[in-house]
Amino acid sequence: DTEVTQTPKHLVMGMTNKKSLKCEQHMGHRAMYWYKQKAKKPPELMFVYSYEKLSINESVPSRFSPECPNSSLLNLHLHALQPEDSALYLCASSQGSYTYNEQFFGPGTRLTVL
Amino acid sequence: QQQVKQSPQSLIVQKGGISIINCAYENTAFDYFPWYQQFPGKGPALLIAIRPDVSEKKEGRFTISFNKSAKQFSLHIMDSQPGDSATYFCAASFGNEKLTFGTGTRLTIIP
Repeated sequence: DTEVTQTPKHLVMGMTNKKSLKCEQHMGHRAMYWYKQKAKKPPELMFVYSYEKLSINESVPSRFSPECPNSSLLNLHLHALQPEDSALYLCASSQGSYTYNEQFFGPGTRLTVL
Repeated sequence: QQQVKQSPQSLIVQKGGISIINCAYENTAFDYFPWYQQFPGKGPALLIAIRPDVSEKKEGRFTISFNKSAKQFSLHIMDSQPGDSATYFCAASFGNEKLTFGTGTRLTIIP
C-alpha cells in the first residue's frame, strides 16, 4: 500500500467551530508532514512529526494543533479559524525526515472557513 | 537566499512537442533537487529528482538537466501528451532542511 489517505475531502466550517483533519499511511513511514496550499501556490510546510514526535513547527498559529497518535496516523485539530485559513491541507509521509526520502502526498482536504 | 525561482508561470505546448521548465537557485548548499507534478484536486507527486554530482537524469520522457555553475536546473518533457497537463513544482533542499519550492508552472498540452 503506497497511499496516503486524508479525510474529509472537503470541509466547511465557521470561525467558532472545532474540527479535525485526519491522515493515515500504512507504508511504515516514520515521518509525517502537514502542508498548507493556497490556490496556484506551492505547498507551505506547517508541521513535521518524526518518530511520532513533533520535530518542526513552522511558526504556525495555535489555532492549528497537530497530533500524532501513532506511527500511521496524523491529525490536525482546527479551532477558531479565520477565512484566510481556507486552503488545501496536504498530508505527506516519508521513510525518515530527511528530504532525500521521497515524500508521498495525500489528496488533501479542501477547507473553507466562513 | 532560500528562494527557488521558477519560470515560466504557464506554458502551452503542442502534443508531441518538448516542454521545458526552468528553475534557478541562490543557495549553494542545496544538494537535492526534486520535481513534483500536481493534477487538479490531487496532492503533488514526486516525478524525478537529481543531486548535483550529475548533470542530467532521465526517466522515460522526463529529463532533469542540472547546471551547477549557473545554479540552474530544468525539466524537459519529451513527446508531451495531454495527460502531462498539470502544475509542476521544482524544489531544493540540503541536509534535513525543508523543501524550498518554486512558484509552479501550469503546463497545458494541446492536441
